[in-house]
Amino acid sequence: DIQMTQSPSSMSASLGDRVTITCQASQDIGNNLIWFQQKPGKSPRPMIYYATNLANGVPSRFSGSRSGSDYSLTISSLESEDMADYHCLQYKQYPLTFGSGTKLEIK
Amino acid sequence: EVQLQQSGAELVKPGASVKLSCKTSGYTFSNYYMSWLKQMPGQNIEWIGNIYGGNGGTGYNQKFKGKATLTVDKSSSTAYMDLSSLTSEDSAVYFCARGGSFDYWGQGVMVTVSS
Repeated sequence: DIQMTQSPSSMSASLGDRVTITCQASQDIGNNLIWFQQKPGKSPRPMIYYATNLANGVPSRFSGSRSGSDYSLTISSLESEDMADYHCLQYKQYPLTFGSGTKLEIK
Repeated sequence: EVQLQQSGAELVKPGASVKLSCKTSGYTFSNYYMSWLKQMPGQNIEWIGNIYGGNGGTGYNQKFKGKATLTVDKSSSTAYMDLSSLTSEDSAVYFCARGGSFDYWGQGVMVTVSS
């Protein structure tokens, strides 16, 4: 199985900060990665498709990038509504596998 | 409007089975896969498997083979997941999610395994 190593597991940032969350893939997954946002008690919401493409309706402060086997989700200027858990998912190979998640809190 | 409506919370005894449903509307059911996922409290999400709405073809995470059985009823545009021989390790929230893009999700259903 492909392992997705996500970091950090949790973080606290101030409003307006630039925030970056990373997933590292244990094997080549190309750009076959989705980033999700999940708020408490809710279902995950796709934010970024194919590693770098913004999903419909997602604010432009969110972006995705790739450097080799490292995939990043960046929030350029943190807003209060961004407090949530974030997950990455690789869909290059079965079984599909998620990162361990990042809990983002607002200072 | 695409909707995935999951059945209600379940409290089941160890060793028992439970059947979860995911009733869909707003799109052509037979044109999409449906995935099922597991999320234990405070833990990461696990992909259980998927099923194609058109012919019921399935793919499973090896970890869940023998535990989960996926089926569909095209006439009602509903996907089902049977969980068998339940233990405390099966207590979790279970989601259905559409297609390879996971663009639409059910609201999740809490399954609690307890005597």
